Amino acid sequence: AQSVTQPDIHITVSEGASLELRCNYSYGATPYLFWYVQSPGQGLQLLLKYFSGDTLVQGIKGFEAEFKRSQSSFNLRKPSVHWSDAAEYFCAVVTSGSARQLTFGSGTQLTVLP
Amino acid sequence: SAVISQKPSRDICQRGTSLTIQCQVDSQVTMMFWYRQQPGQSLTLIATANQGSEATYESGFVIDKFPISRPNLTFSTLTVSNMSPEDSSIYLCSVVLGGLGEQYFGPGTRLTVT
Repeated sequence: AQSVTQPDIHITVSEGASLELRCNYSYGATPYLFWYVQSPGQGLQLLLKYFSGDTLVQGIKGFEAEFKRSQSSFNLRKPSVHWSDAAEYFCAVVTSGSARQLTFGSGTQLTVLP
Repeated sequence: SAVISQKPSRDICQRGTSLTIQCQVDSQVTMMFWYRQQPGQSLTLIATANQGSEATYESGFVIDKFPISRPNLTFSTLTVSNMSPEDSSIYLCSVVLGGLGEQYFGPGTRLTVT
């Protein structure tokens, strides 16, 4: 069965520092990959997605992610973190062709220090 | 994207009662999902609610406990029946837009059962 692993439960960075959140997936074929952000008391907002083509994808709020097939990874990056980026981040994968069901990672909580 | 609303946004309910959560989308969508997010946890798929067919439930979720209606392409309801404190969670609906599984989420309903 497919699975998504986010190895970091909690990450703390200083405002202005760079950020990388890790995501690994387990799936035989190339999956469709997503990153979502959930701010306190909010629903999930789609940051970016990868379906095919260029392995470096740009998203909203200055985020980007790189798909690396050899490492089964889809890490999220941001060059300079803002205090408003403090939130929970979820990596997700669609692995069932027509069912479109998302499998989520366990999430990474990001704290931003002033 | 789409504008997705949920009602109520939050509720506090007594054990043994039922709550119906509404999900409204501002465009017609075929595929809709209901998720549960228990405190401090990731999202777990409850069921797929496609218009014109019976809802499909994931392992661990049953129709008697979580009956779902999908009367048209813009609306769905999820009922949490005979509630217990273990049902305290955030319940989110999502819709699929586009052909590749891109899902957008409602703001969620925060349910507390006392």
